Amino acid sequence: EADIYQTPRYLVIGTGKKITLECSQTMGHDKMYWYQQDPGMELHLIHYSYGVNSTEKGDLSSESTVSRIRTEHFPLTLESARPSHTSQYLCASSEAGNTIYFGEGSWLTVV
Amino acid sequence: GEDVEQSLFLSVREGDSSVINCTYTDSSSTYLYWYKQEPGAGLQLLTYIFSNMDMKQDQRLTVLLNKKDKHLSLRIADTQTGDSAIYFCAETLGGATNKLIFGTGTLLAVQP
Repeated sequence: EADIYQTPRYLVIGTGKKITLECSQTMGHDKMYWYQQDPGMELHLIHYSYGVNSTEKGDLSSESTVSRIRTEHFPLTLESARPSHTSQYLCASSEAGNTIYFGEGSWLTVV
Repeated sequence: GEDVEQSLFLSVREGDSSVINCTYTDSSSTYLYWYKQEPGAGLQLLTYIFSNMDMKQDQRLTVLLNKKDKHLSLRIADTQTGDSAIYFCAETLGGATNKLIFGTGTLLAVQP
């Protein structure tokens, strides 16, 4: 059983607000990822990290930013939310060469 | 480039077998995965297969891999209503990133 947690699970926020989606894992995994999934659509990688102080952009361009100050923590921030940011955001982690485990997801709605 | 394709919808009756199919384009895939996503939930890893294997069985789940045709399938025996969900096929190319490339997902509807 994987231990990876995301908060909040559901968030409705007004346009222009700053939000941070939290992701924590207790498995000591070096690699962490953020995927974005619009309803009924594919998942796309938007950010990943090899380890502490490492962050890289994924395949899908995103206005969000991430940080990796601690191994277990990989928060995603939107400085100024817009309706186009409405989506599900899934955090994941893995050890090198091993299976990728996902959190339960954060559903963001920007009104 | 990398591409993973799945049919969008499958409907079966409870007790029947379900077969969900997936094709991928990149022959350098190292692992191939099946994830399950229930409504409003995250992704749950169901099973995975290493690219040098042809078949993997895990209780009601059977994964078949045809590397020549780049075709992956997931068979669920004795399908139950609790199996209703979206099933995602994914491949990883390995390497330093270990990122996943996902298919569009197949919605499995199980009729009682």
